[in-house]
Amino acid sequence: QKEVEQNSGPLSVPEGAIASLNCTYSDRVSQSFFWYRQYSGKSPELIMSIYSNGDKEDGRFTAQLNKASQYVSLLIRDSQPSDSATYLCAVIDVNQAGTALIFGKGTTLSVSS
Amino acid sequence: GAVVSQHPSRVICKSGTSVKIECRSLDFQATTMFWYRQFPKKSLMLMATSNEGSKATYEQGVEKDKFLINHASLTLSTLTVTSAHPEDSSFYICSAREYSSGANVLTFGAGSRLTVL
Repeated sequence: QKEVEQNSGPLSVPEGAIASLNCTYSDRVSQSFFWYRQYSGKSPELIMSIYSNGDKEDGRFTAQLNKASQYVSLLIRDSQPSDSATYLCAVIDVNQAGTALIFGKGTTLSVSS
Repeated sequence: GAVVSQHPSRVICKSGTSVKIECRSLDFQATTMFWYRQFPKKSLMLMATSNEGSKATYEQGVEKDKFLINHASLTLSTLTVTSAHPEDSSFYICSAREYSSGANVLTFGAGSRLTVL
C-alpha cells in the first residue's frame, strides 16, 4: 500500500501569516493528490485537488506538486483562527477493488488571534 | 453537490453486541463505497472497498468476519461490527465517488462514532 507522510505538528502560526503544510508520498506512479481539512469530531472535507506539477491556487489556498520529489504542499495565506484544524494529505491508490484514498496522519494547524 | 448520508452518528453498545452503520448516497449512484476507521488523534485508515453486488475487498489486517459489509444497492452500503468489543470503539466514516461531474473526488459521510462499553 502507498505511504503518505506528514509532520503531525502542531503547526502554530499567528493570524494573517502564511501556513505551510507538507506531505511526501512513496509511490512514484501516483497521479492524483488531495488536501482535506478535518475539524475535531467531524469527517474530512475537500480543500484542493492537484494532478499536475506546479501550483494550483484557489482563494487563500495554494497546492504545490513536485512529482519528481514526490512532494505535495499546501499553503494557506492570511491564516484565520477558523483555519485551525487537522489537514490531511491523500493520494489515490488504484487496486483491483477500486480507487481509494490513502491518507497521511495529518498535520494539526493552530492559528492564534 | 454529491451528498453521502451516514447513520447513526453516534452509537453506544454493550460488549458482545452487533452494530450496523448505514451509508447512503442521496443524489447519485455509487457503485463503489469505501469504509474508513479513525482512532483518536490518528489518521483515517481504509478498512474495505465495497462494490455493489459483490463481496467487499478488505485491507490487510481487517477481519472480514468481524466487519461485515453489504452493498446491496447502488445507493446503500452497510457496515456491521459483530460481537463488538471496547477496542472496536472508533470513528467510522464511509465515502463514495460521484462520477458524473468527471472529477475523481470522494465525498465523505459525517461519520459514526461507536463506543463499546
